[in-house]
Amino acid sequence: GAGVSQSPSNKVTEKGKDVELRCDPISGHTALYWYRQSLGQGLEFLIYFQGNSAPDKSGLPSDRFSAERTGGSVSTLTIQRTQQEDSAVYLCASSNPGTGIPLAKNIQYFGAGTRLSVL
Amino acid sequence: GESVGLHLPTLSVQEGDNSIINCAYSNSASDYFIWYKQESGKGPQFIIDIRSNMDKRQGQRVTVLLNKTVKHLSLQIAATQPGDSAVYFCAERAGANSKLTFGKGITLSVRP
Repeated sequence: GAGVSQSPSNKVTEKGKDVELRCDPISGHTALYWYRQSLGQGLEFLIYFQGNSAPDKSGLPSDRFSAERTGGSVSTLTIQRTQQEDSAVYLCASSNPGTGIPLAKNIQYFGAGTRLSVL
Repeated sequence: GESVGLHLPTLSVQEGDNSIINCAYSNSASDYFIWYKQESGKGPQFIIDIRSNMDKRQGQRVTVLLNKTVKHLSLQIAATQPGDSAVYFCAERAGANSKLTFGKGITLSVRP
């Protein structure tokens, strides 16, 4: 598709269950980002991929959170043993930052997000 | 620590008036800034960007102003319309290979 696609759009799960959230970035975009947005709050950075590697995992809140990216395209964010405080909208973005170009732009294009509700 | 923040959490304007949304940043190494608009139930949408070697950039009905001396960024929306009602985020980047850091967001509400 033309934009960033995330699935599912909504996910309701029970506390303690594992969930997987999927992101299809814009074709050709080398960078992929995951953010978390709680109700009425800003964007909390989780993890960043350049290709299939993750040079910055600093935002993952605990070891229950993990993410992978395969083929330089699709990414999956996994939350194990979900807790109620994990309830939020999880946003994915992709960009083509032009690595090494000092004044390159890094416009991130966002998907609509996955709304996760942990009961 | 370094941070990007917004002065006001909400802004209410009359339809047809101009809106000014302000953002302060503290990282003097930031070289690139973006404004995003987020409507309810959607992901943030790119509005306009500016590099640190500029102090003003204009788009369609929007203007971004950058004052590096006081580390201040603003978004001006001309002739504000109901469709402009949304949450607006500023974001900054410190270096070509750095991630974007987002501010907390400000809600713009347009009165008919």
